[in-house]
Amino acid sequence: AQTVTQSQPEMSVQEAETVTLSCTYDTSESDYYLFWYKQPPSRQMILVIRQEAYKQQNATENRFSVNFQKAAKSFSLKISDSQLGDAAMYFCAYRSGAQGAQKLVFGQGTRLTINP
Amino acid sequence: NAGVMQNPRHLVRRRGQEARLRCSPMKGHSHVYWYRQLPEEGLKFMVYLQKENIIDESGMPKERFSAEFPKEGPSILRIQQVVRGDSAAYFCASSPRQGSGSPLHFGNGTRLTVT
Repeated sequence: AQTVTQSQPEMSVQEAETVTLSCTYDTSESDYYLFWYKQPPSRQMILVIRQEAYKQQNATENRFSVNFQKAAKSFSLKISDSQLGDAAMYFCAYRSGAQGAQKLVFGQGTRLTINP
Repeated sequence: NAGVMQNPRHLVRRRGQEARLRCSPMKGHSHVYWYRQLPEEGLKFMVYLQKENIIDESGMPKERFSAEFPKEGPSILRIQQVVRGDSAAYFCASSPRQGSGSPLHFGNGTRLTVT
């Protein structure tokens, strides 16, 4: 079974600085998808960024980018120019690329605090 | 285009009562997933349904929990004879079609408190 590990329960960063959240995963599959979700205090799960394992290029979405290291099974999230609104729980998630596979496997989460 | 709608937002039940959680997927989505989040933990998969069919219930507890997604109306997650350990946030997500690349759209969750 696939597992996702986020080794940083909490992180903090000064406003406007850059922070990197770590995520590693374990799988024997070669085709899969990786996601970062943000969960603010409102509890809503918001998709931040998505990466297909077959793509070598790292995904980027405005201030958010990933460092995808397939051989190392690492998928870290970098947030540049941190803003107060970035404060939230961040979850890394894995989804198999097998036909019919649907469920997401989540990590334990990292609580990100932004210091003004 | 409304997102995934869950209700109620908060639900309080006494031990032994039944809890019914509702989820209306996004318009045009026919695939629904339920996840449970215990305090300070990530979301754990429970069940995946398409209209009138349960596709994967590998994350559902064997007893007291059931889910349905009828042809008409919302998906329902039902917990019978609730216990304190059922207290959690329950999230519903939907997607438009089968396919691992389709992103899931989540609702805001229902927080169940069992007293």
